[in-house]
Amino acid sequence: NAGVTQTPKFQVLKTGQSMTLQCAQDMNHEYMSWYRQDPGMGLRLIHYSVGAGITDQGEVPNGYNVSRSTTEDFPLRLLSAAPSQTSVYFCASSQSILGHGYTFGSGTRLTVV
Amino acid sequence: QQPVQSPQAVILREGEDAVINCSSSKALYSVHWYRQKHGEAPVFLMILLKGGEQKGHEKISASFNEKKQQSSLYLTASQLSYSGTYFCGTEGGDSGGYQKVTFGTGTKLQVIP
Repeated sequence: NAGVTQTPKFQVLKTGQSMTLQCAQDMNHEYMSWYRQDPGMGLRLIHYSVGAGITDQGEVPNGYNVSRSTTEDFPLRLLSAAPSQTSVYFCASSQSILGHGYTFGSGTRLTVV
Repeated sequence: QQPVQSPQAVILREGEDAVINCSSSKALYSVHWYRQKHGEAPVFLMILLKGGEQKGHEKISASFNEKKQQSSLYLTASQLSYSGTYFCGTEGGDSGGYQKVTFGTGTKLQVIP
């Protein structure tokens, strides 16, 4: 049981490049979310999903896209990377929000130059 | 809008107690608590549901005041292993409804010998 797996662990992008951060969970969790963590800002919600085919925006969705074609996978796409997107990105999943907490992946440290 | 945590930082000696507070300006359905050690992912501690009982395990417990939209995390007889940054996550209230959890900016706790 691997839990929540994020790849890559580190990435450097040039401004304007696009990329996809991968997230997979093997716990059959319905809910999945993407957060970014910046110093002094805590964890800010980018996008979330309550099941395959259903996604919604969080607090800071601009510049990011998501899709959820399967229960297991929830990739995050950066459309045109900007230095402001330099951050640590965490994917998290939960069996159900009511009564269950999130399991977090180990994170992806992204630097945009 | 993120819930507000206080204090922002606290230093304790081993064996001392601490209280971390989390508040929202709107009604809350649940409050989550997580601990994150430096360079690692957040780890779920506990969740408190509206109308539910106070939760806790070992020397870490929490309460949820629904009328005041506040939650407090209590750490008693602190140990060195308690060091880290503590985040509260709220569902409903400032996060806008079910299924998405909005996190505060964190409380950095350091326990010294």
